[in-house]
Amino acid sequence: NAGVTQTPKFQVLKTGQSMTLQCAQDMNHNSMYWYRQDPGMGLRLIYYSASEGTTDKGEVPNGYNVSRLNKREFSLRLESAAPSQTSVYFCASSGTGSVQPQHFGDGTRLSIL
Amino acid sequence: GQQVMQIPQYQHVQEGEDFTTYCNSSTTLSNIQWYKQRPGGHPVFLIQLVKSGEVKKQKRLTFQFGEAKKNSSLHITATQTTDVGTYFCAGPDSGAGSYQLTFGKGTKLSVIP
Repeated sequence: NAGVTQTPKFQVLKTGQSMTLQCAQDMNHNSMYWYRQDPGMGLRLIYYSASEGTTDKGEVPNGYNVSRLNKREFSLRLESAAPSQTSVYFCASSGTGSVQPQHFGDGTRLSIL
Repeated sequence: GQQVMQIPQYQHVQEGEDFTTYCNSSTTLSNIQWYKQRPGGHPVFLIQLVKSGEVKKQKRLTFQFGEAKKNSSLHITATQTTDVGTYFCAGPDSGAGSYQLTFGKGTKLSVIP
């Protein structure tokens, strides 16, 4: 039971470098999400994809782009990394709508120097 | 926008003591979800409450949804070291087509053996 798989698990970047975080789910879920988690800030939604072919901004989208490649995969891209983007990034998926529980991946711990 | 507030932010208890965390929303919620995140781990869905005044139990955990559907609580009876982690509540964002969840900042529980 893989569930939601995120790669990589850890990454260190220099300011200005670009990077794509990968996420794939095998639960046939329609909706997928990217969150960042910072100490004392809880989980903040960056982008989400309600269904294949659609993406929408969340609470903190600046500095990020996403691609819903197919139903299984949802990637998050940092075009020009900044130290403020140092965080733990979680991908999640769910059935359609907010009444469905979200299933999270193990996270990517990203440090920007 | 919608705000979901949790208190306390931290709680240290002696093993065997009870623990309660409270969640308050600035808007009426259609449902509320609770998640647990172990140290170094990812959030894991615990339960969802939908009905006004609903009470659900999972072994030593009791979840309540307020009559006005704007607040909720999680009570753990006789804490154990396995209860250590951060507990988050989350409610759907009423203004976003019900695909987004707004998470509280969480209550971090430490259990002293």
